[in-house]
Amino acid sequence: DAKTTQPTSMDCAEGRAANLPCNHSTISGNEYVYWYRQIHSQGPQYIIHGLKNNETNEMASLIITEDRKSSTLILPHATLRDTAVYYCIVSDGGSNYKLTFGKGTLLTVNP
Amino acid sequence: NAGVTQTPKFQVLKTGQSMTLQCAQDMNHNSMYWYRQDPGMGLRLIYYSASEGTTDKGEVPNGYNVSRLNKREFSLRLESAAPSQTSVYFCASNRAPGEQYFGPGTRLTVT
Repeated sequence: DAKTTQPTSMDCAEGRAANLPCNHSTISGNEYVYWYRQIHSQGPQYIIHGLKNNETNEMASLIITEDRKSSTLILPHATLRDTAVYYCIVSDGGSNYKLTFGKGTLLTVNP
Repeated sequence: NAGVTQTPKFQVLKTGQSMTLQCAQDMNHNSMYWYRQDPGMGLRLIYYSASEGTTDKGEVPNGYNVSRLNKREFSLRLESAAPSQTSVYFCASNRAPGEQYFGPGTRLTVT
């Protein structure tokens, strides 16, 4: 699976959009981009995934660049409860769907 | 649906003691996983089970054994606990490629 690079931490004001970047310059054509988050002391939570088209669900939007070398997770109206570590993971879904979690980005939403 | 449940939530062991961490899911998922998370680190895969009756090693399997008792249950056993196994243990099951659902975790301390 391709490696990802994320900033260690980010801040966002409550009510504003949070834009979390992820670099995955070595991504292969059959690899998806997955986003998870982990609120303190809880298990990780799946957010969204995509291959090459932009995706949106009730939690977030995922924007993948045309060359697929980077992506951005957008939380449109961040709340204090969105404070968490956000993980960007690249995987082809093969190898029995194993995922490799890095250290992620700590997003702190400030009042 | 309860989702993924884990027992116990907390456990303290002395070096050399044994214990089994229990995990169950009620979502009829085929694949299940055990991860550990150490302070400030991402999750590391210990073992996984692609389907009932099969298990495979992950990134850090030494010191652990697993049993996929049936489709619902996947247990993790520490035969002789060591302080290096102090960690938070998460169980997960897989709804679709890359889309994993996690339990609340077991916090284990080995003294």
